[in-house]
Amino acid sequence: SAVISQKPSRDICQRGTSLTIQCQVDSQVTMMFWYRQQPGQSLTLIATANQGSEATYESGFVIDKFPISRPNLTFSTLTVSNMSPEDSSIYLCSVSGGLAVEQYFGPGTRLTVT
Amino acid sequence: GQSLEQPSEVTAVEGAIVQINCTYQTSGFYGLSWYQQHDGGAPTFLSYNALDGLEETGRFSSFLSRSDSYGYLLLQELQMKDSASYFCAVRGGNRDDKIIFGKGTRLHILP
Repeated sequence: SAVISQKPSRDICQRGTSLTIQCQVDSQVTMMFWYRQQPGQSLTLIATANQGSEATYESGFVIDKFPISRPNLTFSTLTVSNMSPEDSSIYLCSVSGGLAVEQYFGPGTRLTVT
Repeated sequence: GQSLEQPSEVTAVEGAIVQINCTYQTSGFYGLSWYQQHDGGAPTFLSYNALDGLEETGRFSSFLSRSDSYGYLLLQELQMKDSASYFCAVRGGNRDDKIIFGKGTRLHILP
């Protein structure tokens, strides 16, 4: 299994500002995934981040709002840009296991936008 | 597109057995997974079925019927610590690694 850390664990931000969330994995992985989860709700995939190429975004999510970097095989960042209260959520990064049958999640970043 | 249906809540008694069902619609299918998430925690992987039948891991078992697009998670000898949300999930239909999650089932366990 992979050990994943995220920074920050939580933040309170003002609307109109941006926050960059970092995700660090203890081993090299090809694909990293970013999810959003509202309290009590399911996980919604934002984008898939491959090293060396642009991220692939799911329907409803755009690069201008959620730019992603993937500079190497163990690290990725997600930026939530021009935040509004609707962006208040938990943001999680994840990676696939060796056989791609499971995913391992970071502890999440709890974002509150006021 | 892909969609998964599972009950929003299930209640059971400590020591009992509970089954959480999941039906899915996918353009392609590369396996059904189950995840557990405690309040305030991250989802953790429980089990995976790629072929029809039952997979057992301790007190937890998972079943898949591909012809029925149906699976379930069976939890035996329920403990209070099993109180959590359980998500079924399918791998993407275009053979990438991304996983799409159901809405989750909140399991309440009564003493």
